[in-house]
Amino acid sequence: EAGVVQSPRYKIIEKKQPVAFWCNPISGHNTLYWYLQNLGQGPELLIRYENEEAVDDSQLPKDRFSAERLKGVDSTLKIQPAELGDSAVYLCASSQDRGYEQYFGPGTRLTVT
Amino acid sequence: AQKVTQAQTEISVVEKEDVTLDCVYETRDTTYYLFWYKQPPSGELVFLIRRNSFDEQNEISGRYSWNFQKSTSSFNFTITASQVVDSAVYFCALSEEHNQGGKLIFGQGTELSVKP
Repeated sequence: EAGVVQSPRYKIIEKKQPVAFWCNPISGHNTLYWYLQNLGQGPELLIRYENEEAVDDSQLPKDRFSAERLKGVDSTLKIQPAELGDSAVYLCASSQDRGYEQYFGPGTRLTVT
Repeated sequence: AQKVTQAQTEISVVEKEDVTLDCVYETRDTTYYLFWYKQPPSGELVFLIRRNSFDEQNEISGRYSWNFQKSTSSFNFTITASQVVDSAVYFCALSEEHNQGGKLIFGQGTELSVKP
């Protein structure tokens, strides 16, 4: 069974540029998560989807971040415009349902210069 | 508020030693789930275990074992006869059923270094 797929793996952009990350969850997993992981810290939730609905986006900086999950499968996370402080690893995870174990993708390491 | 504390930032052991990683959590919920994840140098978080709050039985999987004690709000992880491949950052995490169920609250992680 294929795991969570993310692309790109690495991205370097200049500040004020837009950037987008893509995630394909494990087949059959209804719940999808985007986490942010800063160096030396544990991941922090940005947004959680149940099927197509964003059920928890309280931690998403909505002035510059947006996300969508079309047809309840793939998801895209966008930052526009990027700031220096956005440099981090962006992780996507999926689970059968809330409360179940979450399986993580390899992450996208973003560097904003 | 929910919180997970991993007081050990770094641990260094020599191969074949046993090592215990501590995890203490805080929650007001009666139904919750506890997790351990491994993050090797490659960066991908690997799921190790999930326990619910009603199951305090200790779990053993090969060289790995977990001790869940509700009385002390702890969920400790022991690696027996450690190996170099165990070197990684290990995260303990909490998810509450009734408060934003599904959101994982991670500890700061413990970096384990196993030397040959």
